[in-house]
Amino acid sequence: DGGITQSPKYLFRKEGQNVTLSCEQNLNHDAMYWYRQDPGQGLRLIYYSQIVNDFQKGDIAEGYSVSREKKESFPLTVTSAQKNPTAFYLCASSSEGSNQPQHFGDGTRLSIL
Amino acid sequence: AQSVTQLDSQVPVFEEAPVELRCNYSSSVSVYLFWYVQYPNQGLQLLLKYLSGSTLVKGINGFEAEFNKSQTSFHLRKPSVHISDTAEYFCAVSDPGGSEKLVFGKGTKLTVNP
Repeated sequence: DGGITQSPKYLFRKEGQNVTLSCEQNLNHDAMYWYRQDPGQGLRLIYYSQIVNDFQKGDIAEGYSVSREKKESFPLTVTSAQKNPTAFYLCASSSEGSNQPQHFGDGTRLSIL
Repeated sequence: AQSVTQLDSQVPVFEEAPVELRCNYSSSVSVYLFWYVQYPNQGLQLLLKYLSGSTLVKGINGFEAEFNKSQTSFHLRKPSVHISDTAEYFCAVSDPGGSEKLVFGKGTKLTVNP
């Protein structure tokens, strides 16, 4: 079945450590997105990519980095510069066009040790 | 910039009662509108979308929404809810002339009690 796979489901970060969240899709979608979800805050866009080897900052990009070397993959690195990384991270993808719905993975919950 | 307001952060209802979850958006120009549902510790699933045409949109699980351009609203309704409808619901908007980015509301937590 086509879909989006996020891994791991749970992740723990030590102080000063970078961690990378994986997102893979087999829907042949051009666009991919990373969101951060905090209780009562809704979804806030971190980064998005409309095509391979290109990506743009979203509303809360500071302390995060991404790459898009393959169409299927859009990993997110939470760097040590992100001082409050505890959150639920969601990856999504969509076909080209703003009328296309986004399809979501099941998320990664990141906590600080 | 677009914004979405979900007027109720929490809505408790009894099983088999009707429910309406309210959503207002900021833009006065054409928009695309979406409702998503999120069950605990899962991603979001699309319930329904409005792109153009009929203002009453039917979605999955018996939900429907009505687009009202003059009131810039897109309220979600279900005539009779089940315990299994307990979840968080998000309204989102995108710009027909823009990128694929969605702007989300902060969500409404629906709790269906027996």
